[in-house]
Amino acid sequence: NAGVTQTPKFQVLKTGQSMTLQCAQDMNHNSMYWYRQDPGMGLRLIYYSASEGTTDKGEVPNGYNVSRLNKREFSLRLESAAPSQTSVYFCASTLTGYHEQYFGPGTRLTVT
Amino acid sequence: ILNVEQSPQSLHVQEGDSTNFTCSFPSSNFYALHWYRWETAKSPEALFVMTLNGDEKKKGRISATLNTKEGYSYLYIKGSQPEDSATYLCAFLRSGSARQLTFGSGTQLTVLP
Repeated sequence: NAGVTQTPKFQVLKTGQSMTLQCAQDMNHNSMYWYRQDPGMGLRLIYYSASEGTTDKGEVPNGYNVSRLNKREFSLRLESAAPSQTSVYFCASTLTGYHEQYFGPGTRLTVT
Repeated sequence: ILNVEQSPQSLHVQEGDSTNFTCSFPSSNFYALHWYRWETAKSPEALFVMTLNGDEKKKGRISATLNTKEGYSYLYIKGSQPEDSATYLCAFLRSGSARQLTFGSGTQLTVLP
């Protein structure tokens, strides 16, 4: 089992460019999450998907969109990247919202 | 926005010392409290999920307690080893929030050999 995988691992964008971060899990989990991690801020929830076909905003959704493509995959899209979106992005999944979360390896994004 | 506070922010201890840190969270609408261990250049990994007031959980030299009435949890490490060096995160799950964890900013532990 690969667990939770994320691509790419690193990305540099110019302001205004768009990109999609991919996440997939092979644990048959129902719920999936996107977080961003900034120094001194801990992990902040961007969007989550409680189950296939549903998505909801988290604490910091502005500037992002998500797609729960199927049970395995949950993607995060930046339509017009801004320097404030420079961060490390983590995808996570869990069987239900009440169990421990399993994290992917992270994507380090720099927007210049 | 829920307030989940962790203290201290960072901690240096000598190998063999025992240590503990605190996570404070809202005492109302409690559902669960998670602890994660996050090593540098890796991803967070779950240590404990605690749901009952008075809960105590243990994994090797690491243990945690939970007081939901006063809104705090302690994480203890007995006989710290250099491989315990990591950031320890707690995360609060509020009842009714369904699936949203609110994370503290973590305690960064460095164990010196």
